[in-house]
Amino acid sequence: DIQMTQSPSSLSASVGDTVTITCRASQSISSYLNWYQQKPGKAPMLLIYAASSLQSGVPSRFSGSGSGTDFTLTISSLQPEDFATYYCQQSYSTPRTFGQGTKVEIK
Amino acid sequence: EVQLVESGGGLVQPGGSLRLSCAASGFTFSNYWLHWVRQAPGKGLVWVSRISTDGSNTNYADSVKGRFTISRDNAENTLYLQMNSLRAEDTAVYYCAREVTSSSGRSFDYWGQGTLVTVSS
Repeated sequence: DIQMTQSPSSLSASVGDTVTITCRASQSISSYLNWYQQKPGKAPMLLIYAASSLQSGVPSRFSGSGSGTDFTLTISSLQPEDFATYYCQQSYSTPRTFGQGTKVEIK
Repeated sequence: EVQLVESGGGLVQPGGSLRLSCAASGFTFSNYWLHWVRQAPGKGLVWVSRISTDGSNTNYADSVKGRFTISRDNAENTLYLQMNSLRAEDTAVYYCAREVTSSSGRSFDYWGQGTLVTVSS
């Protein structure tokens, strides 16, 4: 199975900050990397697919980059509604493994 | 509007069984692979199982293999997860998710709201 490792596990940031979350795969997954946002009590929501493609309806302050084993999710100008937990997921192979999550909290 | 609505969760004793359902609407159900993902209280997302468009191909996480069975009814637009020999560690919110495939990748673009399964005596 492909292991996905996110860092950091949590971070504190202020409204307007730029936030970067990293995700590392245990083997090359090309660009088969997705990012999801989850708010408490809600289902996850797709933000970025194929490492860098923005899902329809997602604000442009969210961006993704990377290929192979190292990936990054960047949130520019953090907004109050962005405080949530973010997960990366590989779709290169089955099982479709997730990272452990990064909780973005208000500083 | 695409909708996935899970049902069937509840409290069950260890060793018991439960069948989850995921009713789909707003899209051509038979065109998509579907997945179950679970989340234990306060924990992260864990992939559980997937099924092909016609139901002929299924895969399971090692932790549920031999105990859970995924199936679908394309005439009724419904996905199922039969869970047997349940254990305390199966306690989680269970989500169904649709997987969309494009030239650039595969992702879970729609999720249900989740149904809570609690395994406890």
